[in-house]
Amino acid sequence: RKEVEQDPGPFNVPEGATVAFNCTYSNSASQSFFWYRQDCRKEPKLLMSVYSSGNEDGRFTAQLNRASQYISLLIRDSKLSDSATYLCAVNPNNNDMRFGAGTRLTVKP
Amino acid sequence: IAGITQAPTSQILAAGRRMTLRCTQDMRHNAMYWYRQDLGLGLRLIHYSNTAGTTGKGEVPDGYSVSRANTDDFPLTLASAVPSQTSVYFCASSDRSSTDTQYFGPGTRLTVL
Repeated sequence: RKEVEQDPGPFNVPEGATVAFNCTYSNSASQSFFWYRQDCRKEPKLLMSVYSSGNEDGRFTAQLNRASQYISLLIRDSKLSDSATYLCAVNPNNNDMRFGAGTRLTVKP
Repeated sequence: IAGITQAPTSQILAAGRRMTLRCTQDMRHNAMYWYRQDLGLGLRLIHYSNTAGTTGKGEVPDGYSVSRANTDDFPLTLASAVPSQTSVYFCASSDRSSTDTQYFGPGTRLTVL
């Protein structure tokens, strides 16, 4: 079993839709959690960190559920420009970061 | 320079050849990382360095070596390339440790024939 697992998708949604991604992790000692966005043939870029109390940045909301060992990303009012692959990242210790394989999102007009 | 640069952008390499991928950052970050990204497997950590002069093994270190002579540079060497090392390689850095946000370079596409 992979340490970090994501539904690969693809998720195809119309503009304006709300879409949610989940990411599960196996190491209960994991300390930090992130969502990255990766455009085709580009490097990953931080979308947002995920805090224990949950956090929101505009149309994006991230949540952490330590008991069930998953993090989630909610995108409201999807834009065409949200089309990308979304990677979750989990930090099991100070030296390591484990990434999910990514969830591909396509927002259509 | 702003952020992290990697060189070369892409490379085709014959199996058995030695290759060094270069990575330089100008953010004075302490920690640096090398990942490979393969379809369906996501990003996997090869090696890391928490500070200049120290390095450590990640999830998939075999066949790769690194050095960290100074804060800015973190080269990755393939001593004798094999076709399974065909991948996209990303260098990243973070301020103190992997608990911090990582910033990625643009990547190197390596094909080993």
